[in-house]
Amino acid sequence: DTEVTQTPKHLVMGMTNKKSLKCEQHMGHRAMYWYKQKAKKPPELMFVYSYEKLSINESVPSRFSPECPNSSLLNLHLHALQPEDSALYLCASSQALRGNTDTQYFGPGTRLTVL
Amino acid sequence: DAKTTQPPSMDCAEGRAANLPCNHSTISGNEYVYWYRQIHSQGPQYIIHGLKNNETNEMASLIITEDRKSSTLILPHATLRDTAVYYCIVRYRYNTDKLIFGTGTRLQVFP
Repeated sequence: DTEVTQTPKHLVMGMTNKKSLKCEQHMGHRAMYWYKQKAKKPPELMFVYSYEKLSINESVPSRFSPECPNSSLLNLHLHALQPEDSALYLCASSQALRGNTDTQYFGPGTRLTVL
Repeated sequence: DAKTTQPPSMDCAEGRAANLPCNHSTISGNEYVYWYRQIHSQGPQYIIHGLKNNETNEMASLIITEDRKSSTLILPHATLRDTAVYYCIVRYRYNTDKLIFGTGTRLQVFP
């Protein structure tokens, strides 16, 4: 089973709202990722958590706040977003195989629209 | 990670083999070739990866040239559900962080 689930599938929010995106995997993976994908563009990495610790932040604005409560869950908290933040937000996970190749598996994404 | 070059789009008739090329002329000995695809508005789906030998799984075959400067993903019997953007990604084997997606090849399978 290589399933990563994401909720909600769609989210519409105003610029003053606070919302959260949720990602879950039950494959025992120890690395989890957030990617952002604008329309007609490839996905771009935002954050990486490895063994529940934030290991990479690709200079993402502070209005995006990631959280990894445990090894199976990854959240992305959103606050004071801008319309240009509208995109497909993708979660991925991998085994975090140190010293070997490591395949990432993606969820279906959350389509976010900021009004 | 080495850069890849793919044609922007390709067509394939249903039931025929789809051969998707990828150039990675600066690949190093410790870099794998990965293929993902993304069906419209869904998350990327892992297809296959390889280092230097040809690989096959239930979805596709990956043919890597002997000098490793290019590769071809083969979908042996394309169906309409294979219509997607296919990404070829070269990745350092000990890299456990980001995947760097290029612009990919948009494969259109027609009846």
